[in-house]
Amino acid sequence: EIVLTQSPGTLSLSPGERATLSCRAGQSLSRSYLAWYQHKPGQAPRLLIYSAISRATGIPDRFSGSGSGTDFTLTISRLEPDDVAVYYCQQYGSSPRYTFGQGTKLEI
Amino acid sequence: EVQLVESGGGLVKPGGSLRLSCAASGFNFSDYNMNWVRQAPGKGLEWVSYISSGSHFIYYADSLKGRFTISRDNARNSLFLQMNSLRAEDTAVYYCAREAAVGVPHTDYWGQGTLVTVSS
Repeated sequence: EIVLTQSPGTLSLSPGERATLSCRAGQSLSRSYLAWYQHKPGQAPRLLIYSAISRATGIPDRFSGSGSGTDFTLTISRLEPDDVAVYYCQQYGSSPRYTFGQGTKLEI
Repeated sequence: EVQLVESGGGLVKPGGSLRLSCAASGFNFSDYNMNWVRQAPGKGLEWVSYISSGSHFIYYADSLKGRFTISRDNARNSLFLQMNSLRAEDTAVYYCAREAAVGVPHTDYWGQGTLVTVSS
């Protein structure tokens, strides 16, 4: 099982700033298998990025993904108050089918 | 609009059973693989189970040790999770999640979840 480690645990920034969220895999994985989600309390998790760099339908271009191998990054530019959420990375594997990082809480 | 609505959660005693449902709409349910994912209080997301579009392939998290059974009824656009021998550590919000139809597997739409509380 590939372990995903996200950092920082909590990120506190101001509106208009840029957020950089990290997801490190315990072993190299195909960039195709890495996704990012936004999760607000009481709501359904929302797919932001898949295949490490591809934005999901309807996701603004303020959200971007990058990385390869063991290091992946979600960047949120021009932060807005509505971006407050916990962000998770997810990887697709053989067993278990999916694993998640522990999440980064974004405060604005 | 894709919608996934979970139901069936509630309070159950340790050792008890519960059956969760997920009603799908806004897409051709029978074309999509589906998953259950859970989130324990204060914890992160944990994948629970997967079922292919035609129910031919089914997978579970090792930690469940045969206590949970996933199923689906494509005629009723519904996904199910039968949970037996429930333990306190099964307390969580349970989400159903659709898997993207093309490309590498990832979950593209999720429901809002249903809370399962296992306590005496």
